[in-house]
Amino acid sequence: DTGVSQNPRHKITKRGQNVTFRCDPISEHNRLYWYRQTLGQGPEFLTYFQNEAQLEKSRLLSDRFSAERPKGSFSTLEIQRTEQGDSAMYLCASSLGTGDLGEKLFFGSGTQLSVL
Amino acid sequence: QKEVEQDPGPLSVPEGAIVSLNCTYSNSAFQYFMWYRQYSRKGPELLMYTYSSGNKEDGRFTAQVDKSSKYISLFIRDSQPSDSATYLCAMNGEVWYQFYFGTGTSLTVIP
Repeated sequence: DTGVSQNPRHKITKRGQNVTFRCDPISEHNRLYWYRQTLGQGPEFLTYFQNEAQLEKSRLLSDRFSAERPKGSFSTLEIQRTEQGDSAMYLCASSLGTGDLGEKLFFGSGTQLSVL
Repeated sequence: QKEVEQDPGPLSVPEGAIVSLNCTYSNSAFQYFMWYRQYSRKGPELLMYTYSSGNKEDGRFTAQVDKSSKYISLFIRDSQPSDSATYLCAMNGEVWYQFYFGTGTSLTVIP
């Protein structure tokens, strides 16, 4: 399967703990996005990378959140000192960016985070 | 006002029915319109992708865009139980990395 892969699929943690998620994009895609989705809502943009450069961050991404994409391949999203409000589905998407509008986003299956 | 409005449903139809799902938007800069299908506890799957106004058909699915009314639709013909999912509309066109999603409409097709 050459789609977007996310690990783990589920993560249960206690409040205050740190968690890290991994995303492996479609291999030829140069752009990688992180979104957060809560029940009954659409995905909300968190951040995106072009190759290894993080080019934009949403104000939803507090200083407890950090994302990396070393070498422009896989990406990790870390949440430090988790809070119950962080409970959500964290979605990764990738695209083949050409610099123009109209890219097609392809999503992974997400990581469901539950903070107890 | 939200950028994209979508009726959350839920919508329940008998198998074989024609389903109409809709979104409205406020930003006239949007030019690219997408429909995603999301099964429970899965990520969104790109279903339809259209540019500007007009219709696009793919099998049982038809996407329709009316930019003058700022209104998009997804029609599903001969609906199947496997179509039961949440359908999200999404739009892009002002800033290339910004995609605006609706809240999703939950659809159940009853056998």
